[in-house]
Amino acid sequence: NAGVMQNPRHLVRRRGQEARLRCSPMKGHSHVYWYRQLPEEGLKFMVYLQKENIIDESGMPKERFSAEFPKEGPSILRIQQVVRGDSAAYFCASSPGRSAVSYNSPLHFGNGTRLTVT
Amino acid sequence: RKEVEQDPGPFNVPEGATVAFNCTYSNSASQSFFWYRQDCRKEPKLLMSVYSSGNEDGRFTAQLNRASQYISLLIRDSKLSDSATYLCVVNSPPGYALNFGKGTSLLVTP
Repeated sequence: NAGVMQNPRHLVRRRGQEARLRCSPMKGHSHVYWYRQLPEEGLKFMVYLQKENIIDESGMPKERFSAEFPKEGPSILRIQQVVRGDSAAYFCASSPGRSAVSYNSPLHFGNGTRLTVT
Repeated sequence: RKEVEQDPGPFNVPEGATVAFNCTYSNSASQSFFWYRQDCRKEPKLLMSVYSSGNEDGRFTAQLNRASQYISLLIRDSKLSDSATYLCVVNSPPGYALNFGKGTSLLVTP
């Protein structure tokens, strides 16, 4: 079974450009979580989505960031007009259903996208 | 106060040593607890869940003290391959997000 797949692994953008990060969940999983890890920081929750629905976006910056998980295709985290402070590792995880993250469904992460803004 | 706090270390220990990490969490309503391991520039990987009764997985033992709101991880007979950052992770209501500590860095030396 393929795990959570993220691409690209590395993404370089100039200030002001758009960044699109993609996440394909594990087979059979319909719920996706995005986390961000700034340099020398812990992982921070950004958003939790199920297909065609945002469940919790309490960790998303108010501007420039958006996320979607369409009926078909991967989940997309989109950052518009990137700034240097957006440089970070962005990790995606998936789960099979809308269980609160529990012992029965701990999260397993993809290998991340490292965004560098120059 | 941060949701999850850990001593960042680094902990430098020789092979074969026993090392323990502690972590405290602030939300008394937290429901589930985990230790993840993160190697340099890689994704975090689940090491073990932490149950109220304490649990063991080979050389690793995890304990949870709900009254004091702390979690511990004990690694016995350290191997070079145990060198990594260990992340204390807590799931609090309403349960959608995992709260990660910044991690404790472990370096096991020959």
